Amino acid sequence: GENVEQHPSTLSVQEGDSAVIKCTYSDSASNYFPWYKQELGKGPQLIIDIRSNVGEKKDQRIAVTLNKTAKHFSLHITETQPEDSAVYFCAAEISGNTPLVFGKGTRLSVIA
Amino acid sequence: NAGVTQTPKFQVLKTGQSMTLQCAQDMNHNSMYWYRQDPGMGLRLIYYSASEGTTDKGEVPNGYNVSRLNKREFSLRLESAAPSQTSVYFCASSWTGGKDTQYFGPGTRLTVL
Repeated sequence: GENVEQHPSTLSVQEGDSAVIKCTYSDSASNYFPWYKQELGKGPQLIIDIRSNVGEKKDQRIAVTLNKTAKHFSLHITETQPEDSAVYFCAAEISGNTPLVFGKGTRLSVIA
Repeated sequence: NAGVTQTPKFQVLKTGQSMTLQCAQDMNHNSMYWYRQDPGMGLRLIYYSASEGTTDKGEVPNGYNVSRLNKREFSLRLESAAPSQTSVYFCASSWTGGKDTQYFGPGTRLTVL
């Protein structure tokens, strides 16, 4: 079945720097790749997603890139701010009506 | 819209006690999910319901049962709680299966003594 590996597990950056989180997946049939942000004490919330018919998608300071050949996708956060501190999860779709497969998460700390 | 709601927010049980975690969504979604989240373990799927009237096991179903009461509600039951079930439990819903956005509830923090 699908396996999603996420790296790094923890990441610390200075405020204003960029942060990059990478995920790889195993099922070449996967076509949908969302990213979730989980703030302390809350449930995960979708921040951006990408489908296999595009290679990059941007939304203000966040962007996601997808390389279907290499089976990896990445989250890029530019000009990081303290409120970006959270746990980030990547996920990948597997075929049919089966649920998303999640990575194990990355704890991002933005140091002021 | 309230989105996905979960009750209770916190619960403490003694080993062997039973309880039901409630989840409801008001987005007319077909699919619903139960996850547990332990430190360093990410989100692990317990059970899911692809549509009203169906339920399927996820990665860690042992010790749990579920009921898809109707399209809105999906409950998770612990028949005989164990300390290993101490965790934060999240319910989620989506329009259909994996290719749609999942919306998560605020979670239930459960401690089993």
